[in-house]
Amino acid sequence: NAGVTQTPKFRVLKTGQSMTLLCAQDMNHEYMYWYRQDPGMGLRLIHYSVGEGTTAKGEVPDGYNVSRLKKQNFLLGLESAAPSQTSVYFCASSWVRNEPQHFGDGTRLSIL
Amino acid sequence: AQKITQTQPGMFVQEKEAVTLDCTYDTSDPSYGLFWYKQPSSGEMIFLIYQGSYDQQNATEGRYSLNFQKARKSANLVISASQLGDSAMYFCAMREADSNYQLIWGAGTKLIIKP
Repeated sequence: NAGVTQTPKFRVLKTGQSMTLLCAQDMNHEYMYWYRQDPGMGLRLIHYSVGEGTTAKGEVPDGYNVSRLKKQNFLLGLESAAPSQTSVYFCASSWVRNEPQHFGDGTRLSIL
Repeated sequence: AQKITQTQPGMFVQEKEAVTLDCTYDTSDPSYGLFWYKQPSSGEMIFLIYQGSYDQQNATEGRYSLNFQKARKSANLVISASQLGDSAMYFCAMREADSNYQLIWGAGTKLIIKP
């Protein structure tokens, strides 16, 4: 019972580098979300998707792009990483929008 | 303005005692839901309990219950008979129908259970 799987778990980047974080869920959920978690703050929504082929901006979308080409996968991209993007990134999914979200274990990303 | 406020940055509680974690919220949407999540030191987010704004009774899930006071806009989490494994960060979150059901999160409370 994998649930929501995030890869990688840890990554260190240099300023200006690009990378993609992968989120995969095996629960056939329609809704998927990307959050960031910073010290002393709650989670903040970056982007979300309400179904295959759709994406929408959340609270803090700047500097990130997303894609949902397949229902089970939701990718988060950083085109030109900045130190301010150092954070823990969580992916979540839910069957419908008003159901509890199921979370992955997080990706710890450091930008030097 | 903060939509979700958790006023207790940290709490120490003796094992086996009950503990109440505070959460107040601000919304004008009549349709909303309140969630509590637990985040152990290992980092994963674990869903604990949910309360809908139209639910007549307070939600309960095992040792977890939600003290929902709608007029006061509070949704406190109560953990009965605390255990060492309850030590974690606890987050309150709100979902409003008007905001397309996006979750808004509080800053969290760090709970430490003392043996």
